Amino acid sequence: NAGVTQTPKFRILKIGQSMTLQCTQDMNHNYMYWYRQDPGMGLKLIYYSVGAGITDKGEVPNGYNVSRSTTEDFPLRLELAAPSQTSVYFCASSYSNDVDTQYFGPGTRLTVL
Amino acid sequence: KNEVEQSPQNLTAQEGEFITINCSYSVGISALHWLQQHPGGGIVSLFMLSSGKKKHGRLIATINIQEKHSSLHITASHPRDSAVYICAVRRETSGSRLTFGEGTQLTVNP
Repeated sequence: NAGVTQTPKFRILKIGQSMTLQCTQDMNHNYMYWYRQDPGMGLKLIYYSVGAGITDKGEVPNGYNVSRSTTEDFPLRLELAAPSQTSVYFCASSYSNDVDTQYFGPGTRLTVL
Repeated sequence: KNEVEQSPQNLTAQEGEFITINCSYSVGISALHWLQQHPGGGIVSLFMLSSGKKKHGRLIATINIQEKHSSLHITASHPRDSAVYICAVRRETSGSRLTFGEGTQLTVNP
């Protein structure tokens, strides 16, 4: 199993550009999450999904959109990039919400200039 | 005040020392996680616990639900233990979502 994979690993965007961060898991997990990690801060939840076709906002959803058309994929879309979105983005997944741990992808380092 | 507070923020130890990292939280929880973030950025889950104590190799995690406090202990520390250790809680009212502490940067010198 590859676990949770994310692409790209690094990206530099100009203000106003858009991009999609890809996340795929091959563990047949129902739950998937997108987090951002800013320097010196704890991880913040952006969006999460409890299954294909179901998504919900986390703590910091503004400026982002997600979709979950399949169990495996959970892309994160930035429509109009802003410097405040410079961060490291982690995707994670878990089988259930009761007793399962979350498995994290390697992260995407995004810089918006 | 953050719902999840970790102490210390930074910790430097000599190889072989016993290390304790603390986590206090202010909300009702259904589970608490300890995670390790490697210098390269990858995050792995170390423990998930809702009561008592868990042990894995040189790592021990304890939780006191009444006091809303958890500790992560590392015995016989080694330079390869150098990493950021993150405490996260699953609130009773938030389903699978986690609330994270800011992390403790541990450096173990040879």
